Amino acid sequence: NAGVTQTPKFRILKIGQSMTLQCTQDMNHNYMYWYRQDPGMGLKLIYYSVGAGITDKGEVPNGYNVSRSTTEDFPLRLELAAPSQTSVYFCASSGGGARNEQFFGPGTRLTVL
Amino acid sequence: DQQVKQNSPSLSVQEGRISILNCDYTNSMFDYFLWYKKYPAEGPTFLISISSIKDKNEDGRFTVFLNKSAKHLSLHIVPSQPGDSAVYFCAASASTYKYIFGTGTRLKVLA
Repeated sequence: NAGVTQTPKFRILKIGQSMTLQCTQDMNHNYMYWYRQDPGMGLKLIYYSVGAGITDKGEVPNGYNVSRSTTEDFPLRLELAAPSQTSVYFCASSGGGARNEQFFGPGTRLTVL
Repeated sequence: DQQVKQNSPSLSVQEGRISILNCDYTNSMFDYFLWYKKYPAEGPTFLISISSIKDKNEDGRFTVFLNKSAKHLSLHIVPSQPGDSAVYFCAASASTYKYIFGTGTRLKVLA
């Protein structure tokens, strides 16, 4: 099992550009999450999904969109990139309910200039 | 409002000694807590968890203690090893699928 995979690993965007961060898990987990981690800060939840077709906002959803058309994939879309979105983005998944640990991908380091 | 706080940004410990990492929370509705370990350029990995119905959970060298009245939990690593050098995050949940993470403590174990 590959676990949770994220692409790309690194990306530099110009202000106003858009991009999609890809996330795929092969563990058949229902729950998937997107976090961002700013320097010296903890992980902040952007969006999460409890199953295909169901998504909801986390703590910091502004400037982002998500979709969940399959169990495996949970892409994160940035429509108009801003310097405040410079961060490391982590995707995670968990199965079996709210008490289960989350498995994280390796992260995408995004810089917006 | 930071609901989960890790007030020590860094900690250095000699190899073989005990490492104690602390975490405080403000929301009395939190009932499940996890610790994650993170190496540079990797995603966090799960370490140990504790439910609010317990005050201690142990897994090998790692023990988590929960003091509900003080809204405080701590992670003990005994004995500490150089491979334990990483950033440690605590996270809390209030019976939901969403976790609130602390800002992390960077542990350095000196050989």
